[in-house]
Amino acid sequence: KNQVEQSPQSLIILEGKNCTLQCNYTVSPFSNLRWYKQDTGRGPVSLTIMTFSENTKSNGRYTATLDADTKQSSLHITASQLSDSASYICVVSGPGRGSTLGRLYFGRGTQLTVWP
Amino acid sequence: NAGVTQTPKFQVLKTGQSMTLQCAQDMNHNSMYWYRQDPGMGLRLIYYSASEGTTDKGEVPNGYNVSRLNKREFSLRLESAAPSQTSVYFCASSEARRGYSNQPQHFGDGTRLSIL
Repeated sequence: KNQVEQSPQSLIILEGKNCTLQCNYTVSPFSNLRWYKQDTGRGPVSLTIMTFSENTKSNGRYTATLDADTKQSSLHITASQLSDSASYICVVSGPGRGSTLGRLYFGRGTQLTVWP
Repeated sequence: NAGVTQTPKFQVLKTGQSMTLQCAQDMNHNSMYWYRQDPGMGLRLIYYSASEGTTDKGEVPNGYNVSRLNKREFSLRLESAAPSQTSVYFCASSEARRGYSNQPQHFGDGTRLSIL
């Protein structure tokens, strides 16, 4: 069964500290892995997309890593800010076939709270 | 840039009532999607449209219908609302074409729908 599991479910850190969020998946075959940030009351916003051939991608203070062999990804946030408080969602895409778009498998998210 | 615009933002319905959720994007994207997000669960795909004039079922299509009115607009209709359809509904769009999905999705800010 294709699944995406995220850990921890929630995390509290102090402003200025670093943190790492984890994503394990069983989706196969695999096309790409995405990380989204979802602020409370807003829609998700894309942070990074990595294909199976990429093992690191950065977007400002956000760095995502991917190990396609172990089917694991992490999102590292450096020097956290209050505005980083949000839910971070890992999404794994299977490849499209013929006239069908690739299916997206969504994790349940990690709720990050940054305290001053 | 407006991006993806959803209306209304909030709605309360009685069981058995019907309503249409509206979505419009101004990014000239080919693909559009409707998701629902429930507490403790990942986003689930209801319907999607890979191009103007086509629609396909997602994971949870029962009780919903969609219309891809033109390239910009994709509406979701509840013909006879049920309490189980209480949720937050997100519309998204993407440049993805058939069989090619390495593009980010851009989400609206959601419609919060309560059915009594």
